[in-house]
Amino acid sequence: GENVEQHPSTLSVQEGDSAVIKCTYSDSASNYFPWYKQELGKRPQLIIDIRSNVGEKKDQRIAVTLNKTAKHFSLHITETQPEDSAVYFCAAKDTGRRALTFGSGTRLQVQP
Amino acid sequence: EPEVTQTPSHQVTQMGQEVILRCVPISNHLYFYWYRQILGQKVEFLVSFYNNEISEKSEIFDDQFSVERPDGSNFTLKIRSTKLEDSAMYFCASNQGGLSTDTQYFGPGTRLTVL
Repeated sequence: GENVEQHPSTLSVQEGDSAVIKCTYSDSASNYFPWYKQELGKRPQLIIDIRSNVGEKKDQRIAVTLNKTAKHFSLHITETQPEDSAVYFCAAKDTGRRALTFGSGTRLQVQP
Repeated sequence: EPEVTQTPSHQVTQMGQEVILRCVPISNHLYFYWYRQILGQKVEFLVSFYNNEISEKSEIFDDQFSVERPDGSNFTLKIRSTKLEDSAMYFCASNQGGLSTDTQYFGPGTRLTVL
């Protein structure tokens, strides 16, 4: 089955800096890659997603890139703000399945 | 904006007891899911449900687990005989289904504590 690896496990940046979180996946049949933000004690919330037919997607300060050949995808947050502090999870979904397979999460701390 | 809701927010039970976790998916969604997250770990898929039957389940979803859509709005997860290792946050999720609607929307979770 699918296996998703996520790095780093923790990331501390200064306010205004950029943050990059990387994930790799194992199943070449995966075609959907969402990123979720989870604040302490709250539900995972989708922040951006990408499908395998595109290489990059951007939404204001957040962007995701996908390299299908290398089977990795990354989340980029620019001009970080303290409210970006949370745990971020990447996930992947196989074409023929419904289940999301999640990475282990990255705790992002933005220092004011 | 409609959201997935879950009750209770926190459930404490004794080992060996049965628990039922409840979810109300978003009203026009067709696929329903349960995930769990043991404290400090990744979110893990348990089961997906469509058209009144299980469409997919993981290895975690063994005979002690069952799901049901008892009426037009609720979706439940039953754990028959709880174990200490069942302590986790349980998230319900839903989506419309179809290639262009893979996005899964998560509920706020039920924290299950088994003593």
